[in-house]
Formats: sequence, structure tokens, C-alpha cells
Amino acid sequence: EDKVVQSPLSLVVHEGDTVTLNCSYEVTNFRSLLWYKQEKKAPTFLFMLTSSGIEKKSGRLSSILDKKELSSILNITATQTGDSAIYLCAVEAWGSSNTGKLIFGQGTTLQVKP
Amino acid sequence: KAGVTQTPRYLIKTRGQQVTLSCSPISGHRSVSWYQQTPGQGLQFLFEYFSETQRNKGNFPGRFSGRQFSNSRSEMNVSTLELGDSALYLCASREESGRFRTDTQYFGPGTRLTVL
Repeated sequence: EDKVVQSPLSLVVHEGDTVTLNCSYEVTNFRSLLWYKQEKKAPTFLFMLTSSGIEKKSGRLSSILDKKELSSILNITATQTGDSAIYLCAVEAWGSSNTGKLIFGQGTTLQVKP
Repeated sequence: KAGVTQTPRYLIKTRGQQVTLSCSPISGHRSVSWYQQTPGQGLQFLFEYFSETQRNKGNFPGRFSGRQFSNSRSEMNVSTLELGDSALYLCASREESGRFRTDTQYFGPGTRLTVL
């Protein structure tokens, strides 16, 4: 059965700290890995990764995929209270009819204290 | 462009009733997927529609159904509601036309369904 596992499940840090969130997957017909940030409502898109070893960066956030290890990390540097959220990792898997679905991990709840 | 919209935002029903949720994708997006989010199970895929056809389905009972209209708007229906159906139902759309398809799905704000 396809699965995506995130760790840690929760994390409390102080402003200015750097955090690393982990995502590992066991998915047949892997196509891509996506990171989302969810605050009170809709998950908002952060990154999509398809190639191993290529870092994607947006401001203080960066992410990289390791297809050999079937994993990805999301780094947040110089954390701010506004980074407090649930971070979701999802893998796009293609089915027999070339249709995709996102398989989500449990999420990592990050709390950044002032 | 406006984002994905979902209506209603909140809904309270009782066991045995049925409910219909609506989703309007981002303009130009023809693929719509539905997900259920609960504290215990996280986000789980329900189904995906493209060009008015369901082309992928998750592991949910037949009480969960959906459809898509010619303008790409989608509805999902849950019949004979159970307490365990209480959840946040999220709709997501993605851009797809001909051979082009993006993996990035954009989510709506969700409908919070409470079953009493």
C-alpha cells in the first residue's frame, strides 16, 4: 500500500531557529513530491519536486528530493511566528490509466514561539 | 485569477441525512479532485474528475459520490451521513489541457461538515 510518512509530527522552536522537516515515501509509480503549508484553512502550495538533488528555494524555505532514499526535506531558516502551521508532504502517484492522486503524509505541526 | 471556491463553508447535518458540497475550480482548470481531512486520518483522496468524467477514485464507500459539469464546476454528495463523516472536505484544481498537465493542485478553503 502506498504511504507517505512525515517526521517529526510536531515541533516547537523559537524565532530565529532553523528547522528541518522530513518526508519519506513508499509509492508505486511515483511522479512528483509536493509540499504544502496549512494554517487555518486551505493548504497553500510551496514546492513541487520531481528531480533528485535539485534544491528548490523560496525566501527562507528550501526543499530537496532524494529519489534514491525515497525522501525529501523541507528547511526553514530564521523562523518567524508566521511560519507556525501544519506542513504537509504529498506524493503524486499515477494510476493505471495515467491519472494521478495525491497521497498525503500526516503532517508536521510547527509552532514558532516569539 | 480567483482561487478555488467552495460552498458552503460550514454545514451541520444529522445522521442519515445527505449533503451536497460544491466546488468551483480556478478559471481554466479542468481537473478537480476532492479530499477528506480528519484529525485521525489526515488528508485522504476521494476522487478526481476531468471533462465531466470520474477518472480516479479513493477507498471510500459508495455513499460518497460526485460529478463534474461542463463548466468544470464539481459537486460531491454524501448520502446516509454517519458521525464519522464529520470532516473538512477540500477541493483542489489543477491545470490540464491536451497533453499538458501539471502536478500542482491548488486547494479551496474547504467545507467543514459536522454530523450530529
